[in-house]
Amino acid sequence: GQQLNQSPQSMFIQEGEDVSMNCTSSSIFNTWLWYKQDPGEGPVLLIALYKAGELTSNGRLTAQFGITRKDSFLNISASIPSDVGIYFCAGQENRDDKIIFGKGTRLHILP
Amino acid sequence: NAGVTQTPKFQVLKTGQSMTLQCAQDMNHNSMYWYRQDPGMGLRLIYYSASEGTTDKGEVPNGYNVSRLNKREFSLRLESAAPSQTSVYFCASNLLAGPSYEQYFGPGTRLTVT
Repeated sequence: GQQLNQSPQSMFIQEGEDVSMNCTSSSIFNTWLWYKQDPGEGPVLLIALYKAGELTSNGRLTAQFGITRKDSFLNISASIPSDVGIYFCAGQENRDDKIIFGKGTRLHILP
Repeated sequence: NAGVTQTPKFQVLKTGQSMTLQCAQDMNHNSMYWYRQDPGMGLRLIYYSASEGTTDKGEVPNGYNVSRLNKREFSLRLESAAPSQTSVYFCASNLLAGPSYEQYFGPGTRLTVT
């Protein structure tokens, strides 16, 4: 079946640093999605990507849809304390299809 | 969590008991999903429904059944609960039409099976 490998599993950074995380798939996706989850809450969709090579921003967050359609990247610039949480990537073949999630990257910000 | 409601918020079951988790959305979304989340495992898809009247298996469907009662409601049933089904269950809904992607998750149901 489809598998998403997300890395790193966790990150410890200083406030103000930039963050990069990525996701690779064993198969092609036509939509890549990035979410953030805060403790005790459901995930919240941050960015959706629809085309290979596409680069999309949402404030300090920038995500890219890899050219091979088997990977995606998320960057967070100038991290702040409220960026703490778990970030998930997810992929979807078609818009009426299942959405498969990676295992998440847990972001910690050191005081 | 705007627009997606889940009940109950918490539930404790004994092994072998049955229960139904309810999910409803008021955003006229086409697709609905049930996920379970276990520590270190991310979200794993149990079942999904692309439209009213259709349901499909996800990654971990064994031990569960679903019903897409109408466009608003998508329920998840555990016929005979097992300790391995202790988890946090999330429902999500998704609008398929249009250029932008619209998806929301519910607040989750925390289920413990003893």
